Amino acid sequence: GIQVEQSPPDLILQEGANSTLRCNFSDSVNNLQWFHQNPWGQLINLFYIPSGTKQNGRLSATTVATERYSLLYISSSQTTDSGVYFCAAKTGANNLFFGTGTRLTVIP
Amino acid sequence: KAGVTQTPRYLIKTRGQQVTLSCSPISGHRSVSWYQQTPGQGLQFLFEYFSETQRNKGNFPGRFSGRQFSNSRSEMNVSTLELGDSALYLCASSPGTSGAYNEQFFGPGTRLTVL
Repeated sequence: GIQVEQSPPDLILQEGANSTLRCNFSDSVNNLQWFHQNPWGQLINLFYIPSGTKQNGRLSATTVATERYSLLYISSSQTTDSGVYFCAAKTGANNLFFGTGTRLTVIP
Repeated sequence: KAGVTQTPRYLIKTRGQQVTLSCSPISGHRSVSWYQQTPGQGLQFLFEYFSETQRNKGNFPGRFSGRQFSNSRSEMNVSTLELGDSALYLCASSPGTSGAYNEQFFGPGTRLTVL
């Protein structure tokens, strides 16, 4: 299956700072999703972005499919942004391959 | 529209027992996928069901099985539980009709502990 790598593995930010999370994938994809896992384990959908750029409030994402990477931008971070962020990709079949996640801690 | 629901939310079993987990997808979605999350292996795909048929399968032993009913609800079963089966089991729902192009939505998960 496709390999998905995320960086950095851990990130600590002061409240109000901006951050960029990166996701590299080893093959062409037709689906790329970003999730935030809440403290209870549920994966919350952030973006469905196989290519291009999308924005939702303080969050935005860009996927450059030809170069096999995606970026998640968080601006003006808040303590509620803390948690683990996952990207996941899929190719031909309807199953997602997940990265190992970025654990974000936002301190007040 | 209601989200994906999973029952039970928490489960404690002992080695050798079997367990059945349930997932109800978003109304109108026909694809249900199951994933296992552990600290050591991360999030891994178990299998996908579409229109009551297993359409795709991950690399798990035969002790892990599933099925889907005509209303798209799905169950997964783990027989002869092992300590290593302790995990968060997540179910994902998607329309499923466009093959690889569907966004997946996840339920809250079932946390299984095997003693």
